[in-house]
Amino acid sequence: DTGVSQDPRHKITKRGQNVTFRCDPISEHNRLYWYRQTLGQGPEFLTYFQNEAQLEKSRLLSDRFSAERPKGSFSTLEIQRTEQGDSAMYLCASSPSEANEKLFFGSGTQLSVL
Amino acid sequence: GESVGLHLPTLSVQEGDNSIINCAYSNSASDYFIWYKQESGKGPQFIIDIRSNMDKRQGQRVTVLLNKTVKHLSLQIAATQPGDSAVYFCAENFGTGGFKTIFGAGTRLFVKA
Repeated sequence: DTGVSQDPRHKITKRGQNVTFRCDPISEHNRLYWYRQTLGQGPEFLTYFQNEAQLEKSRLLSDRFSAERPKGSFSTLEIQRTEQGDSAMYLCASSPSEANEKLFFGSGTQLSVL
Repeated sequence: GESVGLHLPTLSVQEGDNSIINCAYSNSASDYFIWYKQESGKGPQFIIDIRSNMDKRQGQRVTVLLNKTVKHLSLQIAATQPGDSAVYFCAENFGTGGFKTIFGAGTRLFVKA
């Protein structure tokens, strides 16, 4: 399978715990994106990487959220001290280097904070 | 076929009819527009795109129309099939280098057999 893969598919955690999600983009794609989606809404942009450089972060991304892409390949998104409002689907997408390219999404990680 | 107003969250059509899904985008500086389809439990999947220097683009059974004057985008699906049942999102792309894609709220399409 050469698509975008995300792990885990589902995560249930208690409020206050830390969680980490992983995304493996399509191998030749330089750009990697994280989005968050709540029920009935469109995906909301969180952050974007060009290779290993994090070039843009949304105001939605509080200081409890951190994302990395250390070698320009896979990426991790960590949420510290989770809150119930963090419950959502976290989607990863990748795209090639050309401007204005369509996004290729993974199936997401569904986070439930109890 | 059935045309719906803007921001209507659901659309129900009979199998074989044409579907029209409408979308209003927000930024007049957006220069690239995309329609995505999202099935339950999956991430959004690319359907068709259009650049701002065009007003119409056709794919297989799908057509996207762009009206920049009123910042309106539509997706037409010909001969709608049960497999077309999903949520459809329009998205606009703008920002330095066009890196950030912003999604609309989406329309759920139900196809009746």
